[in-house]
Amino acid sequence: GAGVSQSPSNKVTEKGKDVELRCDPISGHTALYWYRQSLGQGLEFLIYFQGNSAPDKSGLPSDRFSAERTGGSVSTLTIQRTQQEDSAVYLCASSRRGLNTEAFFGQGTRLTVV
Amino acid sequence: GDSVTQMEGPVTLSEEAFLTINCTYTATGYPSLFWYVQYPGEGLQLLLKATKADDKGSNKGFEATYRKETTSFHLEKGSVQVSDSAVYFCALSDHGSGNTGKLIFGQGTTLQVKP
Repeated sequence: GAGVSQSPSNKVTEKGKDVELRCDPISGHTALYWYRQSLGQGLEFLIYFQGNSAPDKSGLPSDRFSAERTGGSVSTLTIQRTQQEDSAVYLCASSRRGLNTEAFFGQGTRLTVV
Repeated sequence: GDSVTQMEGPVTLSEEAFLTINCTYTATGYPSLFWYVQYPGEGLQLLLKATKADDKGSNKGFEATYRKETTSFHLEKGSVQVSDSAVYFCALSDHGSGNTGKLIFGQGTTLQVKP
C-alpha cells in the first residue's frame, strides 16, 4: 500500500476484555515495529519483527500483550484482559531493514479502556 | 540502558524566530540519531537523521549535528513558520542492540509558532 495502515483508528473497550489491533505495513518492508504512546510514558518500543519472527520482544509490558506477524506482512497486537493503564495510542512502523533505514509510521490506534 | 532526554515544552515562538530544541542521549554502542515530527492529526514522520559523529542532518530548514563529545543532537531552525507547529521527538537507534533498528525516543517537545 501507499503507507502503513492501522485499524481500527479508535477502540473503546471495557476493562477485562481482549482487543486486537492490526497493522498493514508498506509492501516489501521486512521490519515491523510496535510502539505505544501514552501521556505519562512518552513513546515506548514494544516489539520488533523481522519477517515473521520476533527477535526482540523486550518492550512488551506484561504477558497480557502478544503479537504475531503472518506472511511477512500483516501484524496483530493482542491485549488480553485489558486494564485502564493500557489506554494509549498504539503505533506501528515498518522499514526495509532494521538499521539506519527510515521507519514509516502508521496513524495509530487510540485505545481507551473504560 | 539507552535513553534520550529532550528539553521540556511547550516551546512558544513568534514567526521567524530562531528555534533550538535540546536533545542529549546515553547509549552503550554507536547510535544513529533521528528527529521525528508529528504534525497535528498526522502520524510520525522522519525529519532528519545522522548516522555517525560530526554528521549534520538537514531537511526543511531544520538542522542537527551529531556531537559525540557532548552526546547531543540539538535541533535548530533559523526562522520558524506557523506551519512548523508540531511535536518533535529526538530518537536513537543503537547499532549495538542487535541491529534491530528499534528506536528509543525522547519525551517529545511541543512547538507552537504564533503569527
